[in-house]
Amino acid sequence: GDSVTQMEGPVTLSEEAFLTINCTYTATGYPSLFWYVQYPGEGLQLLLKATKADDKGSNKGFEATYRKETTSFHLEKGSVQVSDSAVYFCALNLRRDDKIIFGKGTRLHILP
Amino acid sequence: NAGVMQNPRHLVRRRGQEARLRCSPMKGHSHVYWYRQLPEEGLKFMVYLQKENIIDESGMPKERFSAEFPKEGPSILRIQQVVRGDSAAYFCASSPSTPDTQYFGPGTRLTVL
Repeated sequence: GDSVTQMEGPVTLSEEAFLTINCTYTATGYPSLFWYVQYPGEGLQLLLKATKADDKGSNKGFEATYRKETTSFHLEKGSVQVSDSAVYFCALNLRRDDKIIFGKGTRLHILP
Repeated sequence: NAGVMQNPRHLVRRRGQEARLRCSPMKGHSHVYWYRQLPEEGLKFMVYLQKENIIDESGMPKERFSAEFPKEGPSILRIQQVVRGDSAAYFCASSPSTPDTQYFGPGTRLTVL
């Protein structure tokens, strides 16, 4: 079935390090792809999205490129900050229905 | 424009009681979705509603769970005779149309004692 797989956490980095969180998907058709972020005790916020192959979503220094050939949507940031500490969810929407399918989430800790 | 609102933020119930979770979508949004997040898990779709209609309830447990989105007022997720396994965070999302980006509320954290 349709699914999202992302790297398990926790991921611990020092401030200003380079970040990559891997995400791959399995889907029939052409999904829209998303990264959501959940800060402690809060709900999910949309971080970025891409709706078709080769699109790049970007926001707050984070980027992800929709790679159809590798069915991937890896999240990257060049220089992380302590305030980026949160749980990051990769997700897809098949567009033929309305549910979003989420990965299990990756917890990120940034050390000062 | 206020975001998606959910209340209560925290709810404690004893086994066998009823839980009612409320969701007010963003202004202008007529599509509401409910998701459940179990500890250390991602969110799982439960149900999709439009005003006065359930569109997709494929993720809802067959018993004890129900949802509504009346013509006036918030959407309600109702859990009857709660059990410990119902303890989770329940998130509501809304969108102005479909398919479209879904915007999430802060969630209701249900604890069943």
